[in-house]
Amino acid sequence: DGGITQSPKYLFRKEGQNVTLSCEQNLNHDAMYWYRQDPGQGLRLIYYSQIVNDFQKGDIAEGYSVSREKKESFPLTVTSAQKNPTAFYLCASRGTVYGYTFGSGTRLTVV
Amino acid sequence: AQSVTQPDIHITVSEGASLELRCNYSYGATPYLFWYVQSPGQGLQLLLKYFSGDTLVQGIKGFEAEFKRSQSSFNLRKPSVHWSDAAEYFCADLRDNYGQNFVFGPGTRLSVLP
Repeated sequence: DGGITQSPKYLFRKEGQNVTLSCEQNLNHDAMYWYRQDPGQGLRLIYYSQIVNDFQKGDIAEGYSVSREKKESFPLTVTSAQKNPTAFYLCASRGTVYGYTFGSGTRLTVV
Repeated sequence: AQSVTQPDIHITVSEGASLELRCNYSYGATPYLFWYVQSPGQGLQLLLKYFSGDTLVQGIKGFEAEFKRSQSSFNLRKPSVHWSDAAEYFCADLRDNYGQNFVFGPGTRLSVLP
């Protein structure tokens, strides 16, 4: 079955560490997105990519980085510059103009 | 800037009762509106969407929503709630006409009493 796989489901980061969240899709979708979810704030866009080797900053890109070397993959790195990284991170992809599919998320906790 | 508001942070209803979750969007020439549901620790599942045409939209799991341009609203309804409907519900508006990027509301958490 086609879908989006996010891994790991839970991730713990020490202060000052960079960590990378994986997002893989086998839907043959061109566009992919990363959202951050905090309680009471809904989802906020971090980065998005419409095609391979191209990506754009969203509303809260500071402290994050991405790459899009393959159509299927859109990993997100949470750098040490992100001061409050504890959150739930959701990856999504889009096939048709309005057809979004979401992954099941990664919960990142700073320890 | 476009925004989406959901006035109710948390709603509790009894099983079998009717449900209405409120959503208001800021002015946009052509709103493209969505309702998503999220179970704890999970991703988002699309319930229904509105682009144009009939203002009453039917979705999955017995949900429907009505678009009212005069009130800038897109409220979600269900005539009889089941315990499995307990979840968080998000209203969203597409940011632009090219289908890029959602603006999400803050969410409404639904609890269902037995």
